[in-house]
Amino acid sequence: QTVVTQEPSVSVTPGVTVTLTCGLTSGSVSTTNHPSWFQQTPGQAPRTLIYSTNSRSSGVPDRFSGSILGNKAALTITGAQTDDESDYYCVLYLGRGVWVFGGGTKLTVL
Amino acid sequence: EVQLVESGGGLVQRGGSLRLSCEASGFTFSNYWMHWVRQAPGKGLVWVSRMSGDGSSATYADSVKGRFTISRDNAKNTLYLQMNSLRAEDTAVYYCVRDPALAAIWGQGTLVAVS
Repeated sequence: QTVVTQEPSVSVTPGVTVTLTCGLTSGSVSTTNHPSWFQQTPGQAPRTLIYSTNSRSSGVPDRFSGSILGNKAALTITGAQTDDESDYYCVLYLGRGVWVFGGGTKLTVL
Repeated sequence: EVQLVESGGGLVQRGGSLRLSCEASGFTFSNYWMHWVRQAPGKGLVWVSRMSGDGSSATYADSVKGRFTISRDNAKNTLYLQMNSLRAEDTAVYYCVRDPALAAIWGQGTLVAVS
């Protein structure tokens, strides 16, 4: 069974650029997986940041960007801010109508 | 304003049933695939099911296949999730989500607790 992988935790200093990744235990991520990225703070519903690899959702600051890096999808935060400290999830379409979320990355900004 | 509002969650005994609803507004509901996603307490997001805009196609995660049924009423702009044979591991906040491939919109979620 294919699993979607994310870094469990990442720490970054304010102002520094950080990249979170989203991969597959079997195979490479491509645009056909429609990678999307979500931000979630405790007690809140997730918020969509990026959809279909690199499209930014309405109202999302342009310091958030999505791409394919090598064999993974990537979410880059250019100049991380303390407000960016959250959980980040990716989701991939695996075909045959099935979507799978990654386990999430806890981003610490300090 | 584009909005999704879930309802129908609550406390249910193991083996019981519950039907969740998600009322959509602010967009043409029938044009979009709609999904259910759940999150157990302190855990990550898990995809549950999706249905096509016209209701002709549905897919399920293996963990709920045969127990949960997704459906929709486009005249009422409402998505449903019928949950039968509920287990303790189904305890979670259930979110209604508009197509992740097209700038997903999320509802606020409804809590299902199975005792």
